[in-house]
Amino acid sequence: QSALTQPASVSGSPGQSITISCTGTSSDVFGYDYVSWYQQYPGKAPNLMIYDVTNRPSGVSDRFSGSKSGNTASLTISGLQAGDEADYYCSSYTNSNTQLFGTGTRVTVL
Amino acid sequence: QITLKESGPTQVKPTQTLTLTCDFSGFSLSTSGVGVGWIRQPPGKALEWLGIFYRDVDKRYSPSLRNRLTFTRGTSQNQVVLSMTNMDPVDTGTYYCAHRYCSGGSCYLGAFDVWGQGTMVTVSS
Repeated sequence: QSALTQPASVSGSPGQSITISCTGTSSDVFGYDYVSWYQQYPGKAPNLMIYDVTNRPSGVSDRFSGSKSGNTASLTISGLQAGDEADYYCSSYTNSNTQLFGTGTRVTVL
Repeated sequence: QITLKESGPTQVKPTQTLTLTCDFSGFSLSTSGVGVGWIRQPPGKALEWLGIFYRDVDKRYSPSLRNRLTFTRGTSQNQVVLSMTNMDPVDTGTYYCAHRYCSGGSCYLGAFDVWGQGTMVTVSS
């Protein structure tokens, strides 16, 4: 099993919207609506931002939204803020009853 | 309030076995669907899912590490132990345990809502 593919970096100006892609295969992203997204600040543990493709846990800003089309899931951050600058990881359930993380994306606020 | 904390050696030698303990509170593994996951992260690199422990007879392991990994209960009901054999320098990294996200009576695959602080393990002779 190979890691899900994400762009290494995405950047945007404050107030803009950005989208991070997460590409998998028919064995994971395409086959299941169990995609999660995590935000990680340097030296800190990850925070759950999205689960089941589109759902936000309580307390997560509605500026974060998730979607999926085929074998690619996406995380969109709208109204980009300085505090959104972090690493973001996607994750998907797989047909082996296991889980895969993505390669990670560094978000930079210009 | 759910909390988790990893503990164990900060350094092991190549070929040795790593044993890490995850002490948790605020939930019970006796509750259906609840699980404790293990995830690691080499310095400057991506997260890697190692597996998840639900109960003694229900565990999942990363296919690439299945032959080296074992999850067990600790001496306390609020502990999960990770054992990884034949450690190599490429296994160096921060090891996290995390709580599987459950809400409203449902638990969600692939979602971890509370994480431990992580413990850094260096493999070096």
